[in-house]
Amino acid sequence: KAGVTQTPRYLIKTRGQQVTLSCSPISGHRSVSWYQQTPGQGLQFLFEYFSETQRNKGNFPGRFSGRQFSNSRSEMNVSTLELGDSALYLCASSVDSLNQPQHFGDGTRLSIL
Amino acid sequence: GDSVTQMEGPVTLSEEAFLTINCTYTATGYPSLFWYVQYPGEGLQLLLKATKADDKGSNKGFEATYRKETTSFHLEKGSVQVSDSAVYFCALISGGYQKVTFGIGTKLQVIP
Repeated sequence: KAGVTQTPRYLIKTRGQQVTLSCSPISGHRSVSWYQQTPGQGLQFLFEYFSETQRNKGNFPGRFSGRQFSNSRSEMNVSTLELGDSALYLCASSVDSLNQPQHFGDGTRLSIL
Repeated sequence: GDSVTQMEGPVTLSEEAFLTINCTYTATGYPSLFWYVQYPGEGLQLLLKATKADDKGSNKGFEATYRKETTSFHLEKGSVQVSDSAVYFCALISGGYQKVTFGIGTKLQVIP
């Protein structure tokens, strides 16, 4: 059974640009959540999608957005990039709830110059 | 808001030593508690969980007990191995499963 796949693995952008990250969940998983991991703040919850709808949201500005497609694949978009957005972005999937074990991908390393 | 507190480490132990990684939390209601582990070069994976007070989660020799009176979920292992070297994250879900909160992560290094 294939795991959670995130693409790309690495990205380099400059301030002001926007970026889109992709996540393919485990087959049969309908809940997809996104996290930002930084050395200073640790792992922070961005949002969760279920059935193509954002169901839960963390405390991040509106520059961070996402969507989910009918096949449960999800994308996350960050607009007007800032230096502080440099981080490892992790995607996780579960069958249908945040309260179930989250299966994480290897992440996308985003660097802002 | 919700929060999870754990020491950042690194924690360095000799092989076969006893491990305790402390985790305390603040949350509304009755959260579910988790420990995740991130081995070098790999993604996070669930280690164990507990969903109600006095529950004990266990896996791979690790265990943690949900203590509501002390709002704690300390991770323990009786005899660590070099292969246990990793970063361990304590996490909770509360508010009707609406939000996930992680601790900062504790790096464990086990030396032979």
